[in-house]
Amino acid sequence: QQQVKQSPQSLIVQKGGISIINCAYENTAFDYFPWYQQFPGKGPALLIAIRPDVSEKKEGRFTISFNKSAKQFSLHIMDSQPGDSATYFCAANPLYGGSQGNLIFGKGTKLSVKP
Amino acid sequence: ETGVTQSPTHLIKTRGQQVTLRCSSQSGHNTVSWYQQALGQGPQFIFQYYREEENGRGNFPPRFSGLQFPNYSSELNVNALELDDSALYLCASSSDNYGYTFGSGTRLTVV
Repeated sequence: QQQVKQSPQSLIVQKGGISIINCAYENTAFDYFPWYQQFPGKGPALLIAIRPDVSEKKEGRFTISFNKSAKQFSLHIMDSQPGDSATYFCAANPLYGGSQGNLIFGKGTKLSVKP
Repeated sequence: ETGVTQSPTHLIKTRGQQVTLRCSSQSGHNTVSWYQQALGQGPQFIFQYYREEENGRGNFPPRFSGLQFPNYSSELNVNALELDDSALYLCASSSDNYGYTFGSGTRLTVV
């Protein structure tokens, strides 16, 4: 079964620090790797995404690093703010098999940014 | 531009009952996917609809079924509810099968 493994389960960072969340996948047939941010009582919101032909993508304070050979990708949040406190999910989109759009999610990382 | 709206926001049902959840997709989006999110877990794919046809299904039993309407809105139906069906049910829509916009979900509690 295709899986996406996410770590850590929870993360506490001081304001202004760097938050790093890691994910690894077990199947090469993925063509899209999004990160979602979810606040309590809300649905996940797309934060940033990357395709496997790119090693890094940066949008504002958020950066995805992608290592295709290691089947790993990570989210870096620079200058973390208390408003970034939320649960973050990595996901992968299968390329084939009638499962397009079947995002496979990690189990999530609860980030707390202390003032 | 309106986002994805889901109704109702909360629902309590008794084991064995049936439930229908509704979703209005974002304007311009023709693909709708449904996910189940148990407490403390990531969302799990239930199924996807494109042009009113089921276009992919996750590991959920047949008592989970759905519909998509010509205006791209969608319904999720669950028959013979079980206690383990208690979860947040999320609807997500897309126009290109990649950039999915999620609704805020329906919190279903089965007692």
